[in-house]
Amino acid sequence: QVQLVESGGGVVRPGRSLRLSCAASGFTFNNFAMNWVRQAPGKGLEWVAVLSSDGTIKNYANSVRGRFTISRDNSKNTLYLQMNSLTAEDTAVYYCARDAYKMVIGGGWLDPWGQGTLVTVSS
Amino acid sequence: DIQMTQSPSSLSASVGDRVTITCRASQSITTYVNWYQQKPGEAPKLLIYVASRLQSGVPSRFRGSGSGTDFSLTISSLQPEDFATYYCQQTYTTPRTFGPGTRLDIK
Repeated sequence: QVQLVESGGGVVRPGRSLRLSCAASGFTFNNFAMNWVRQAPGKGLEWVAVLSSDGTIKNYANSVRGRFTISRDNSKNTLYLQMNSLTAEDTAVYYCARDAYKMVIGGGWLDPWGQGTLVTVSS
Repeated sequence: DIQMTQSPSSLSASVGDRVTITCRASQSITTYVNWYQQKPGEAPKLLIYVASRLQSGVPSRFRGSGSGTDFSLTISSLQPEDFATYYCQQTYTTPRTFGPGTRLDIK
């Protein structure tokens, strides 16, 4: 079955870095764009980033642009999120989610989602 | 950036009730809105995509409608498993913003 499994979360000091991974299985990974979405404790969903199936087109939320980098390794069926210069405002559960299309185009949707990995930024 | 608003922010209803949640975009997004359901401690689940298309496996009591800037999600007869938080999301352009959510509680 289609499955996404995030890993790499944990507690990190402000200003430090962390890399999240999302392992995909059950579908042809290189046929789909992929997204990261986060949710701060007790808050709503915040879209973070999207990456095209071939890794050439990426877009970010204003809140993370310049600090976070989305990437993928299609040979390993894995999506990544490199997070630098972390602040307390980055504390959240981070979800990866498959996009509907290969390219980053209008009209896509996110399905399925992984179970999420918690990132806590605290001194 | 396109802003998404939802109303109400919370709603109390009873099993069997018909409820409607609305979502408004700050500019026209044609029909590029999706609806997700999230239960506590779980990942979001896709219900409706491209405004009105029912995701496979989702009960037919869920219905989406709208275009342009105004959209709605209607649940025709609430079931116990429907009490959750609902989010709309636009994918007309990036950033792919979500609405703030509507929490649906049991009355």
